Amino acid sequence: EAGVAQSPRYKIIEKRQSVAFWCNPISGHATLYWYQQILGQGPKLLIQFQNNGVVDDSQLPKDRFSAERLKGVDSTLKIQPAKLEDSAVYLCASSTGTGGYGYTFGSGTRLTVV
Amino acid sequence: AQSVTQPDIHITVSEGASLELRCNYSYGATPYLFWYVQSPGQGLQLLLKYFSGDTLVQGIKGFEAEFKRSQSSFNLRKPSVHWSDAAEYFCAVGVSGGYNKLIFGAGTRLAVHP
Repeated sequence: EAGVAQSPRYKIIEKRQSVAFWCNPISGHATLYWYQQILGQGPKLLIQFQNNGVVDDSQLPKDRFSAERLKGVDSTLKIQPAKLEDSAVYLCASSTGTGGYGYTFGSGTRLTVV
Repeated sequence: AQSVTQPDIHITVSEGASLELRCNYSYGATPYLFWYVQSPGQGLQLLLKYFSGDTLVQGIKGFEAEFKRSQSSFNLRKPSVHWSDAAEYFCAVGVSGGYNKLIFGAGTRLAVHP
């Protein structure tokens, strides 16, 4: 089966600019996650969707980050305006949403804010 | 609150030597525990998981982990390390009741000397 697709792989922007990341999960996976992985740290959950509804966005900096999952398939994560501390790898993952934690991670988007 | 601690930031071993990566967790209920591996520029790959039953869990690539409730630990082991095992390793705890949310440790970077 095809994996979780993410684009772009790399992005360099200046602070205060905006940026968007795209994720296409595994077909049929109801749950989609966006994780932020800062260098030297483990991934931290930003937002979790079940189909096209938000289940958990408690750690999403809502003043600058937004995410949507249209029609319960693809998802977009946006940062506007970006700060230096947003430099990180943004990982998308999907799962069936049922028991078993059957996550599949994408390769991530590495964002550098200068 | 749930948390995962990986005490070792970096570990270096010689090829062929045995390996043990430490993981301690904090979770009120019976934990779901995971080990993931991340190679440079890649997403996270599941090595093994513990849900219940036998406390010694076998995974892929010759890895195993042992759950010790009394020590709140889930250490990862491999009897003989190969150069291709050089990567970053993450321990994670699954939070139930929230559509399978994962909380990760900060990771341990493994270097393998020839």
